[in-house]
Amino acid sequence: DAGVTQSPTHLIKTRGQQVTLRCSPKSGHDTVSWYQQALGQGPQFIFQYYEEEERQRGNFPDRFSGHQFPNYSSELNVNALLLGDSALYLCASSAYGGRYEKLFFGSGTQLSVL
Amino acid sequence: GESVGLHLPTLSVQEGDNSIINCAYSNSASDYFIWYKQESGKGPQFIIDIRSNMDKRQGQRVTVLLNKTVKHLSLQIAATQPGDSAVYFCAEVNTGTASKLTFGTGTRLQVTL
Repeated sequence: DAGVTQSPTHLIKTRGQQVTLRCSPKSGHDTVSWYQQALGQGPQFIFQYYEEEERQRGNFPDRFSGHQFPNYSSELNVNALLLGDSALYLCASSAYGGRYEKLFFGSGTQLSVL
Repeated sequence: GESVGLHLPTLSVQEGDNSIINCAYSNSASDYFIWYKQESGKGPQFIIDIRSNMDKRQGQRVTVLLNKTVKHLSLQIAATQPGDSAVYFCAEVNTGTASKLTFGTGTRLQVTL
């Protein structure tokens, strides 16, 4: 049983570009959350998707957007990249309404903005 | 994932000794407090949690203590093993927003032989 898978594992972009990160949830999970983890810090909640809609959102600008597909996979899009967007982006999946200990994290996409 | 934790406070412990990792949290309204372990190249992994109305909870080789008066949380690892080497994060959550975890600053645990 595959866990949460994310692609790509590493990505290099330049300022002003746009990026799309992808996530496939763990089998049986229907909810996907995205987190940003800057160097030396804990992950920060970006948003959560369920039934192809954004259900909750953290304190991130509109440059950060997402999408969830009918197969529950999800994309995170970041427009007009800034140097400060360089971070590890983590996807976490769960069953909707499930408890947090059932939150499974992927290994992340390391984004570098030059 | 290799870049996580490069500038984090570090706790160095000898194999077999006990480890104590501390955390200060911010929101007194949180329902649960949780410890996560993050190994190099991986996402956070759930270790143990404690409800806000408890002071202590024990798991396998781990104990979490909660002091609500000073908003302090600690994780004790008994008989620390090399496989315990990782970055440890505390997190808090309101059960109404189960996926929206608020993570604290991590601590890197280094186990020496």
